[in-house]
Amino acid sequence: AQKVTQAQTEISVVEKEDVTLDCVYETRDTTYYLFWYKQPPSGELVFLIRRNSFDEQNEISGRYSWNFQKSTSSFNFTITASQVVDSAVYFCALSELYGANNLFFGTGTRLTVIP
Amino acid sequence: DTGVSQNPRHKITKRGQNVTFRCDPISEHNRLYWYRQTLGQGPEFLTYFQNEAQLEKSRLLSDRFSAERPKGSFSTLEIQRTEQGDSAMYLCASSPIRSGPDLDTQYFGPGTRLTVL
Repeated sequence: AQKVTQAQTEISVVEKEDVTLDCVYETRDTTYYLFWYKQPPSGELVFLIRRNSFDEQNEISGRYSWNFQKSTSSFNFTITASQVVDSAVYFCALSELYGANNLFFGTGTRLTVIP
Repeated sequence: DTGVSQNPRHKITKRGQNVTFRCDPISEHNRLYWYRQTLGQGPEFLTYFQNEAQLEKSRLLSDRFSAERPKGSFSTLEIQRTEQGDSAMYLCASSPIRSGPDLDTQYFGPGTRLTVL
């Protein structure tokens, strides 16, 4: 069975600080996808990144970076120089590589960036 | 390319009434998903269509829930005899199955927030 754990329920940082959101997952599949989504106050889930299980390269996109470590089943997300617009709930999710690909979500981390 | 749209955005109903929600996926996306999100939780999978075929249903989808996707385009989710426990945000997502950078990536609509009084 798939399971995603986001142990940090809420995080507050002051603008321009760096922040890391943790994600730990469990799956019996040998191949799978990992995702991060952002849910701002408007409510719509915004796709941020998809990572295949066989691609452990870390990725950087602007102020965002992701650290995938298969050995520890973690897929952490770092925001550098946080901004007020980064305030949102962030969800980590897992799906199988084949079949329905339905997403298993964690409970989310609410990030508040204080100006 | 327009995103996933959902209607209505908000629905308030009395317990026992039937409600229907609509989802229009991104054009040419073969796969369509319904999820339910309650306060403080992540979305939970309800059901999945590939084109017009409903291929998977979660155990969360009780017999009061039914979903359709006629002609493989828009989809509807109906809840019969609503209960207060059905109050939640209902999210729709779509994804392509062709190869490319979007492969197997689900794009979500704004959701329909249901309140059952």
